[in-house]
Amino acid sequence: GNSVTQMEGPVTLSEEAFLTINCTYTATGYPSLFWYVQYPGEGLQLLLKATKADDKGSNKGFEATYRKETTSFHLEKGSVQVSDSAVYFCALSDPGGSQGNLIFGKGTKLSVKP
Amino acid sequence: NAGVTQTPKFQVLKTGQSMTLQCAQDMNHEYMSWYRQDPGMGLRLIHYSVGAGITDQGEVPNGYNVSRSTTEDFPLRLLSAAPSQTSVYFCASSYTGQPLTNEQYFGPGTRLTVT
Repeated sequence: GNSVTQMEGPVTLSEEAFLTINCTYTATGYPSLFWYVQYPGEGLQLLLKATKADDKGSNKGFEATYRKETTSFHLEKGSVQVSDSAVYFCALSDPGGSQGNLIFGKGTKLSVKP
Repeated sequence: NAGVTQTPKFQVLKTGQSMTLQCAQDMNHEYMSWYRQDPGMGLRLIHYSVGAGITDQGEVPNGYNVSRSTTEDFPLRLLSAAPSQTSVYFCASSYTGQPLTNEQYFGPGTRLTVT
């Protein structure tokens, strides 16, 4: 079935360090891919998305490229800030399921130290 | 636009009690869903609805009921609460017209504790 696997955390970085959070997926068809961010005590917010192969999503200095050949959608940021501390979820639209359904990874907690 | 709203923010129940978690959205989205979030488990889909009058089960539907009488509201009912239902519950909605992106908008969550 369709699934998302993302690197386990927690990830702890110093401010201005480079960030990569790996995400790979299994899906039939052509799903859209998403990264959501959850700040402490809040709901999830869409961070970026890509709807077809080779698309690059970007927002707030974060980037991810939809790689169909490696079934990956890794999240990167060149220089993290303390305010980026949050839980990050990779997700895909369920191409075989009902319209609207998303499948989420288990989340990766990022802590950035000053 | 308030987006997706959920009430209450916090709730403590005793085993066997029933309650309804409220969810409303003002974006005229056809699709609405309920997730639960547990440590190390990510988000798991409980129930979803693709429009008023239509609901379906997700990955973990047991112990929960839903109904969708209007486009705006999608309440989640716990019939007889159990400690295993202690969790954070999120409601989400999305636009299902074209272009279809499946981007979901989340509410702030309800933290439920069952003792």
